[in-house]
Amino acid sequence: ELKVEQNPLFLSMQEGKNYTIYCNYSTTSDRLYWYRQDPGKSLESLFVLLSNGAVKQEGRLMASLDTKARLSTLHITAAVHDLSATYFCAVDQYGNKLVFGAGTILRVKS
Amino acid sequence: GAVVSQHPSRVICKSGTSVKIECRSLDFQATTMFWYRQFPKQSLMLMATSNEGSKATYEQGVEKDKFLINHASLTLSTLTVTSAHPEDSSFYICSARSEVNEQFFGPGTRLTVL
Repeated sequence: ELKVEQNPLFLSMQEGKNYTIYCNYSTTSDRLYWYRQDPGKSLESLFVLLSNGAVKQEGRLMASLDTKARLSTLHITAAVHDLSATYFCAVDQYGNKLVFGAGTILRVKS
Repeated sequence: GAVVSQHPSRVICKSGTSVKIECRSLDFQATTMFWYRQFPKQSLMLMATSNEGSKATYEQGVEKDKFLINHASLTLSTLTVTSAHPEDSSFYICSARSEVNEQFFGPGTRLTVL
């Protein structure tokens, strides 16, 4: 059974600081997703990572994937208040179904 | 990107009544749609996989007679919560899988059962 572990579960950051969210998964997979969720809203797709060594960047967020270590990271650079949200990673096992991590609540303080 | 809609966005009902939630893929055909439930401050939990023209596949612990799923066309899946109770109150999110195997999420339906 595929398990996805995300940490930390809660992250309080100062504006301008950098930090990383980690996503570990237990079995092989062909793709990994990162999503953002604002309170009361559905999921917003951030990144799709398809292969080992994949790195994608959008603004202050950068995601990477190491399939050998079964690890993905979401790196936040110079955080701003607008990044406050809950971030989920999700692993897709061969186009079957997504298994989500527990989510990381990110709060960026001024 | 592809667009998935859900209706209604919010519903309040009395205990014992049934509620139907619709999930539509607006600009693509989806042979497979998924239904998730999310309780406050928790992650998304897959309830069932809905396949067009066939019976849904339910995850362990999800009552198929309580959560009826119909996927009658390539653009529409419905979830009916039958005999709803307060513990069914939750945020229900659907997703539709595209031909390139990416899932697109609907905006969610907040169900409150009084």
